[in-house]
Amino acid sequence: SQTIHQWPATLVQPVGSPLSLECTVEGTSNPNLYWYRQAAGRGLQLLFYSVGIGQISSEVPQNLSASRPQDRQFILSSKKLLLSDSGFYLCAWSVAAGGVGELFFGEGSRLTVL
Amino acid sequence: QKEVEQNSGPLSVPEGAIASLNCTYSDRGSQSFFWYRQYSGKSPELIMFIYSNGDKEDGRFTAQLNKASQYVSLLIRDSQPSDSATYLCAVIRSGTYKYIFGTGTRLKVLA
Repeated sequence: SQTIHQWPATLVQPVGSPLSLECTVEGTSNPNLYWYRQAAGRGLQLLFYSVGIGQISSEVPQNLSASRPQDRQFILSSKKLLLSDSGFYLCAWSVAAGGVGELFFGEGSRLTVL
Repeated sequence: QKEVEQNSGPLSVPEGAIASLNCTYSDRGSQSFFWYRQYSGKSPELIMFIYSNGDKEDGRFTAQLNKASQYVSLLIRDSQPSDSATYLCAVIRSGTYKYIFGTGTRLKVLA
């Protein structure tokens, strides 16, 4: 069966510090991968998605970036965090074929920027 | 106009009642629709998906899709306090792999 792992689960970072969140998927190959952010009391905002290694699409211009160094690994980064980057970050995957499959989420990473 | 719209609630229903959650979407070409449940502090979990017009039932849950009206709903029968959560509607934007979410409806089931 397929599983998705995301870490760290919680982190507190000062403004201006770097960020790296990691996500890996097991039990499938060539998944579509996604990063979402959920601000407190808000909906899910799509940040990045990837349909293959090295193929990253950005939805919202901001100080975040994403990379997909391996088929089942997706990384969210920032060089300098802003207060507005605080939120609940969710990695997700779906089956690549057809784009009509279910989307499955990791357990999330809660980021607080102080 | 938001791409996916939901009433934020809270929607309060007594235990044992039917809860009705609604969602409208703007992309007429969308073909795939999903309902997720999210407990406070947790990640969303998939409840149901629906691709065709009409009803789709899974246990106590029924998803309803009306593409002509661009409307998706979720009915929860025999609501339980454990159903209290935020329910998120999601749509795949046509021609893409992007899953677009509504802001969610908070459901409270009163014991």
